[in-house]
Amino acid sequence: DIVMTQSPLSLPVTPGEPASISCRSSQSLLHSSGYHYLDWYVQKPGQSPQLLIYLGSDRASGVPDRFSGSGSGTDFTLKISRVEADDVGVYYCMQALQTPRITFGQGTRLEIK
Amino acid sequence: QVQLQESGPGLVRPSETLALTCAVSGYSISRGHYWGWIRQSPGKGLEWIGSIYQSGITYYNPSFKSRVTISVDTSTNQFSLKLSSVTAADTAVYYCTRQSTSPGTYWGQGLLVTVSS
Repeated sequence: DIVMTQSPLSLPVTPGEPASISCRSSQSLLHSSGYHYLDWYVQKPGQSPQLLIYLGSDRASGVPDRFSGSGSGTDFTLKISRVEADDVGVYYCMQALQTPRITFGQGTRLEIK
Repeated sequence: QVQLQESGPGLVRPSETLALTCAVSGYSISRGHYWGWIRQSPGKGLEWIGSIYQSGITYYNPSFKSRVTISVDTSTNQFSLKLSSVTAADTAVYYCTRQSTSPGTYWGQGLLVTVSS
């Protein structure tokens, strides 16, 4: 199994300030297609996880451009350029390289200061 | 837009079989993709249980050994999960999902299943 490790696990942020979450995989997520099979999801309080980013850097439909994904190989980052109150939740990275045998990071809890 | 909705009992007795169904709308299961079950418990985070392809080929997490069975009914556009010999450790929120590398995984609302006598 590919092990996914996120940091930090807790992230207090002042509204309007940027935020960054790191995700590291135990093996490269580069597929022969040239894409990195790494997704980002957010789980807002009381809701199911919802897709933010797929293939490492592609925003899902309806996701604000404040959210961006980057990285390569085994190291990936989710950035929020300006945090808003509605961004509170738990953010997960997920490897899709071994789809359907997916695995998740532990989650990063973003809270507003 | 694909929508998924889990249904089934919210309470299951220890040693019995947990049985859930996922109704899919807005997309035909027969068109492809993997259709999977993921659960979330406080102790273990998000855990992939298993998946089925529209052809009926199944993939299971070895952690569940021989306890899990996933099936699909393309005539009703539904797929199902059965988890046998449940214990309190199987108490979790169970999500049905459509898995894809592009554009990613879509999730149902989730169903809390409690294992208790």
